[in-house]
Amino acid sequence: DQQVKQNSPSLSVQEGRISILNCDYTNSMFDYFLWYKKYPAEGPTFLISISSIKDKNEDGRFTVFLNKSAKHLSLHIVPSQPGDSAVYFCAAKSKYGNKLVFGAGTILRVKS
Amino acid sequence: GAGVSQSPSNKVTEKGKDVELRCDPISGHTALYWYRQSLGQGLEFLIYFQGNSAPDKSGLPSDRFSAERTGGSVSTLTIQRTQQEDSAVYLCASSPQGSNQPQHFGDGTRLSIL
Repeated sequence: DQQVKQNSPSLSVQEGRISILNCDYTNSMFDYFLWYKKYPAEGPTFLISISSIKDKNEDGRFTVFLNKSAKHLSLHIVPSQPGDSAVYFCAAKSKYGNKLVFGAGTILRVKS
Repeated sequence: GAGVSQSPSNKVTEKGKDVELRCDPISGHTALYWYRQSLGQGLEFLIYFQGNSAPDKSGLPSDRFSAERTGGSVSTLTIQRTQQEDSAVYLCASSPQGSNQPQHFGDGTRLSIL
């Protein structure tokens, strides 16, 4: 049973436009959510996180939105740059544990 | 400062052999995690260490897998009698003490079982 789902395997965006990556979850005990970016042959790099007490967190070009009632979060990247091309993973942590549960990832391609 | 360091970066071994994978966490991080990523999959939790507490081993897939963390720092993940389905990238992460802290990952060990 996949508790964290990224339903879009890939996304292609023009440079300068907004990239929106989506993530859905099923476990209502999740209270902390993170986005990671991964290049080939490298480990995931932490991008941004959000606690369940918030609905938005912003860091530079990256903004994460959390809709708890819909059990949905999204990552907005604006403006998108070619260097943003990578695999993006959504992850969640339960209030009762410490492990992260990951989605399967979305491949983002930013075209110049 | 230095990030999470893992060794070896690549390991190729024959089915049935034992392997040891090493992780050096970020200095000062009290929590250490092991995950693995099989081809085309997301990351799968294996085991978690926090200070001197008993580790959370709930993600280990079989009793062929074990891990230890000596002196609250370096960790070793051991896989005995390797099988072809053990082929994956094994990732280590560490985080500071406290709830809701981001985990920072190493570059992983790519394990291939022939």
